[in-house]
Amino acid sequence: GAGVSQTPSNKVTEKGKYVELRCDPISGHTALYWYRQSLGQGPEFLIYFQGTGAADDSGLPNDRFFAVRPEGSVSTLKIQRTERGDSAVYLCASSLTPGMITEAFFGQGTRLTVV
Amino acid sequence: GESVGLHLPTLSVQEGDNSIINCAYSNSASDYFIWYKQESGKGPQFIIDIRSNMDKRQGQRVTVLLNKTVKHLSLQIAATQPGDSAVYFCAEIANTGANSKLTFGKGITLSVRP
Repeated sequence: GAGVSQTPSNKVTEKGKYVELRCDPISGHTALYWYRQSLGQGPEFLIYFQGTGAADDSGLPNDRFFAVRPEGSVSTLKIQRTERGDSAVYLCASSLTPGMITEAFFGQGTRLTVV
Repeated sequence: GESVGLHLPTLSVQEGDNSIINCAYSNSASDYFIWYKQESGKGPQFIIDIRSNMDKRQGQRVTVLLNKTVKHLSLQIAATQPGDSAVYFCAEIANTGANSKLTFGKGITLSVRP
């Protein structure tokens, strides 16, 4: 596609439920990043994929958060037992050159609301 | 709906005037800085970048200034237009090699008065 695509755009879920957020990176981009943006804050790093593997998952807040990228393209961020504090915009970015976040393009984000 | 800029400091400028957006960064070891623009409902969009071995870089209508002594970064927008209204974030990177991560500042909302 022309840019990074994230689905759904908005997701409302009940506390305790499981959610999956999808990211379609720019075609051919090997690096993929997930960031989380709380209201009124700048984005915060969650995890970085180089190809199929997670090269850096140091930003995942706890073991309720998990992300996969099985074929090195589409990535899914999974959140178990959602809490109200998980409400935020989840941003995905991709770059052609592995690890070069300086060249990354961001998607429009998925706004997650936990009620 | 809610804006990404809610609760952020706001800079209000008249259309046609120049805007200066300031940012204080935290890590003296950061060697690369980027300014992003984020409109409501969209992801951050790259505006301009600067390496730590430079103190000024110019783009189209935008200039970034870096003062490493006081760890200060600024974005100047010439002849501000209504389309410049957005939230602006500075971001720093401590290691521009593999696995580098962006650390974003808190952001400032720019509001352009017609």
